[in-house]
Amino acid sequence: AQSVTQLDSHVSVSEGTPVLLRCNYSSSYSPSLFWYVQHPNKGLQLLLKYTSAATLVKGINGFEAEFKKSETSFHLTKPSAHMSDAAEYFCVVSDSNDYKLSFGAGTTVTVRA
Amino acid sequence: EPEVTQTPSHQVTQMGQEVILRCVPISNHLYFYWYRQILGQKVEFLVSFYNNEISEKSEIFDDQFSVERPDGSNFTLKIRSTKLEDSAMYFCASSGSVNEQFFGPGTRLTVL
Repeated sequence: AQSVTQLDSHVSVSEGTPVLLRCNYSSSYSPSLFWYVQHPNKGLQLLLKYTSAATLVKGINGFEAEFKKSETSFHLTKPSAHMSDAAEYFCVVSDSNDYKLSFGAGTTVTVRA
Repeated sequence: EPEVTQTPSHQVTQMGQEVILRCVPISNHLYFYWYRQILGQKVEFLVSFYNNEISEKSEIFDDQFSVERPDGSNFTLKIRSTKLEDSAMYFCASSGSVNEQFFGPGTRLTVL
């Protein structure tokens, strides 16, 4: 069985400062890991994915995440937050032999001017 | 850029009524999924569909639910007799491989 835990339900940052969203996963097989973003009243957009290639994954809009097997973590970072980054972020895991995605509870990011 | 589309964007229905939520997946994708997100809760997997049959379903996906690919483009989720607790945002997704799913904008279902 697979699951993810997002360690922060809400993160507030100032514009121009770094963002860190923490995620730990549990998986019985080689996992695929994803970060999705959901802006208000919008659908889920894929930010980036890890599928057993490079452990440092770069995504859209300046986001990146590092897969650390020893720590079972897949934290999302961005060096400089922008107002448009205010949204809900979901860490998601999928086992290599499974179709379904398992979502974390989400982290709400607010960006202060 | 190809995208998954869903209709309607918002559906209001009376308890006990049947609803059909429609999705048009990305055209060359082979795997199709439904998820739901009850307000304030996690996004939950409902069902996956491949080669014209259900490949996996969650315990939420009981006999009240069914999925169908009636033609080459649409993928539908039917709820036979809606309950208040079916009120949620329903997301359709499709993928060309197991590892990456593309989501539609969702249908907000409100059961009164």
